[in-house]
Amino acid sequence: NAGVTQTPKFRVLKTGQSMTLLCAQDMNHEYMYWYRQDPGMGLRLIHYSVGEGTTAKGEVPDGYNVSRLKKQNFLLGLESAAPSQTSVYFCASRRPLAQGGETQYFGPGTRLLVL
Amino acid sequence: KQEVTQIPAALSVPEGENLVLNCSFTDSAIYNLQWFRQDPGKGLTSLLLIQSSQREQTSGRLNASLDKSSGRSTLYIAASQPGDSATYLCAVYNQGGKLIFGQGTELSVKP
Repeated sequence: NAGVTQTPKFRVLKTGQSMTLLCAQDMNHEYMYWYRQDPGMGLRLIHYSVGEGTTAKGEVPDGYNVSRLKKQNFLLGLESAAPSQTSVYFCASRRPLAQGGETQYFGPGTRLLVL
Repeated sequence: KQEVTQIPAALSVPEGENLVLNCSFTDSAIYNLQWFRQDPGKGLTSLLLIQSSQREQTSGRLNASLDKSSGRSTLYIAASQPGDSATYLCAVYNQGGKLIFGQGTELSVKP
């Protein structure tokens, strides 16, 4: 049981380049989330998904797209990276109330630097 | 709009001291509240989850309280150790299961 994993761990992009961050969970959770963490800003929700094939916007969705083609995977895409997207990105999945109380499990994070 | 504030932003204490971290939120209509720990360069680890109907939760040397009416939660750490040094994040679940995070308190416990 690996929990929540994220790929890659670190990436450097040039402005305008694109990339996809992959999140995978093996806990059969329906809900998955993408956050970004910036100094002094805490964690902010980018997009989330309530199940396979669904996505929804969070607090700071602009410049990002997501897809949830398989229940275990949640992809975050940057079509044209900007320096303002330099951040640490965390993925999480949510354990439902019926399975012992709602809590979110977080991945180790992806550090992204956009030059 | 729900806002979560944590005070202080940073705290340095000598080993063995008891300490309290504070969290406040503006909208009392929360589903539950969760405290996390984050080590430098790492992800978040859940410490304690308090359901909206509960007033406190305990795990080892940690005790978290919740007062919905005043919009406050505290995390009490007893007999602090250098290994407790980390950033502690408070987050509230709004309806729909979205977590709203505070900015965290960076704790340093000196030997």
